[in-house]
Amino acid sequence: AQSVTQPDIHITVSEGASLELRCNYSYGATPYLFWYVQSPGQGLQLLLKYFSGDTLVQGIKGFEAEFKRSQSSFNLRKPSVHWSDAAEYFCAVGAESSASKIIFGSGTRLSIRP
Amino acid sequence: DADVTQTPRNRITKTGKRIMLECSQTKGHDRMYWYRQDPGLGLRLIYYSFDVKDINKGEISDGYSVSRQAQAKFSLSLESAIPNQTALYFCATSDPRQGKDTGELFFGEGSRLTVL
Repeated sequence: AQSVTQPDIHITVSEGASLELRCNYSYGATPYLFWYVQSPGQGLQLLLKYFSGDTLVQGIKGFEAEFKRSQSSFNLRKPSVHWSDAAEYFCAVGAESSASKIIFGSGTRLSIRP
Repeated sequence: DADVTQTPRNRITKTGKRIMLECSQTKGHDRMYWYRQDPGLGLRLIYYSFDVKDINKGEISDGYSVSRQAQAKFSLSLESAIPNQTALYFCATSDPRQGKDTGELFFGEGSRLTVL
């Protein structure tokens, strides 16, 4: 069965600093991978997704993620965070191209230090 | 206006009461979902529906029921609410194109339910 782990519950970074949020998955074949962001009081919004092809994926709001099959990872990165990036971030893995099969990680809450 | 609208946004109720959370969407998507979010647990799928006549149980359907009244409307009911159903509930939609669901979900803003 597929699973996804986000090892960091809460991360604080300074505004302007770089960011990396970790995501590890377990799945026997090539997974479908997603990062969603949840701003306070809002629903989740898709940042980026990986299905196949180039392992470095660009998303919205300046985020990118890299799929590393050998490490079973799909870490989210941003070169310079802004105060508006403070939110909760969820990694998700799908066994096939169906939203009903998607499993979400437990989330990482990002705080920004002024 | 939001494409996926949930009502109510907040609700406090007592143990044993019947509660309905409603979801409507203007995205024209056939597929709709109900998720539950608990701190430290991420989102877990309760029920999903691929069209009006197709409703399926998700990971944690016990204690919940759903109704797909129309393509645009998908309601979640708690027949007899209990305190451990206190959570944030999300409705979502997805849109299979050319027979292939990309897996992208479009979420409502959530309904926070507290059961005392």
